[in-house]
Amino acid sequence: QQQVKQSPQSLIVQKGGISIINCAYENTAFDYFPWYQQFPGKGPALLIAIRPDVSEKKEGRFTISFNKSAKQFSLHIMDSQPGDSATYFCAASKDSGNTPLVFGKGTRLSVIA
Amino acid sequence: NAGVTQTPKFRVLKTGQSMTLLCAQDMNHEYMYWYRQDPGMGLRLIHYSVGEGTTAKGEVPDGYNVSRLKKQNFLLGLESAAPSQTSVYFCASEPTGGNTEAFFGQGTRLTVV
Repeated sequence: QQQVKQSPQSLIVQKGGISIINCAYENTAFDYFPWYQQFPGKGPALLIAIRPDVSEKKEGRFTISFNKSAKQFSLHIMDSQPGDSATYFCAASKDSGNTPLVFGKGTRLSVIA
Repeated sequence: NAGVTQTPKFRVLKTGQSMTLLCAQDMNHEYMYWYRQDPGMGLRLIHYSVGEGTTAKGEVPDGYNVSRLKKQNFLLGLESAAPSQTSVYFCASEPTGGNTEAFFGQGTRLTVV
C-alpha cells in the first residue's frame, strides 16, 4: 500500500510559469510533510516542510499548501526557472519521531526557456 | 564540513558476489537510513537505525543486512548480489526520527551483472 501518492510523474513548465506538484496521504497520524529536491547525480535535499497547524507555508518562490480534511498537500513553484529543473519528492511522517519518512515516487520537473 | 559520506560512489558486481556499502556522518545524528532509488519507484527504505547498536527493517529489506556498531557509521551489506539489486543507494541521517531535516549522501550507483 502506497502511503503517499504523488502526481504528476513528470512536468514541463515554461520559464516564468507556475509549477504545481500534488501529494495525497493515507495515514491520518502523519503530521510532518516535507518536500525534497534532487538534482541529477546528487542526493535529495530538504526544500521546505509544513506541519498541519498551518494551511500554507511560503519560502521565497516555493509554497506548500496543506488541506488536512482532504489529506492532500501540494508544492507550488512561482516564476519557475531553468535552475528549478530537478526531481521533487513529497514525504510524510509522524512528528513524534521513531518513524522514518515515507516518500512519494517523485516528480521530474523540466523548466524550459 | 563533510555531512554524510558514502563509499564507494560506483561499483559493478557479478551475480552472487558480496559487498558492503559504508555510510559515515559527522553530525552526531541518532537516526540513519538506507534507501534505494529506482526509476519510477521513488525512494524506498531498506533498513534504518534509531541509534548505535540498533537496526530495523524498512519497506524492502530482503537481500540486505545492516550494522550500526558506531554512531557515526551505518553499513549496508549485500551477501549474494542479484541483478534486481541494481540501483542507486542513498544513505541519510537525521538528528531524531521523522520530523527533522534528513541529510542525504551523494549516492552509490551499483550495477549487478
